[in-house]
Amino acid sequence: SAVISQKPSRDICQRGTSLTIQCQVDSQVTMMFWYRQQPGQSLTLIATANQGSEATYESGFVIDKFPISRPNLTFSTLTVSNMSPEDSSIYLCSVEVTERDAFFGQGTRLTVV
Amino acid sequence: ILNVEQSPQSLHVQEGDSTNFTCSFPSSNFYALHWYRWETAKSPEALFVMTLNGDEKKKGRISATLNTKEGYSYLYIKGSQPEDSATYLCAFTSGTYKYIFGTGTRLKVLA
Repeated sequence: SAVISQKPSRDICQRGTSLTIQCQVDSQVTMMFWYRQQPGQSLTLIATANQGSEATYESGFVIDKFPISRPNLTFSTLTVSNMSPEDSSIYLCSVEVTERDAFFGQGTRLTVV
Repeated sequence: ILNVEQSPQSLHVQEGDSTNFTCSFPSSNFYALHWYRWETAKSPEALFVMTLNGDEKKKGRISATLNTKEGYSYLYIKGSQPEDSATYLCAFTSGTYKYIFGTGTRLKVLA
């Protein structure tokens, strides 16, 4: 298993600003994943973060809006840039320990005003 | 486009009632179906990973079934308790790291 600490748990931000979300894992993992859940929608994969390489973004998500860092095998950050109210969502990081087991952080509830 | 649907979106039940939810997923390229329980401000908790058609799994008062040929899974909760109140998510995978989630079923158990 893996224990993931995600910060902050929630934040209220002004439009036009940026927020960086951090995830720390208690063990080394190859791949980390970032998800978003907009109100009433499903959890949707934003990007996959591998250590030592650029993140791979899913359709509809771009690096300029959601820059990701992965400096080592236990840590990753996601930045939500130039925020607008449409970015109000729950953001969740995840790691896959085996091909059948995924573990998640506690989520970051973001409100943009 | 792969789509996973869950129903109902939300429901309220009385303590002691039994309830069930549905997850519909693509029947092609199936690898695994996951059920998670997600309480507010907590990490989603894995309940079941189901891979074989006809699978039935049980964990305490919660059980799940899987039909990969028709693309659905049921989650059952017997004798619901207030602590069962949470959002129940299902996720489909086709053998890659990409999990396709449903929108979840939000359960509220009234004491």
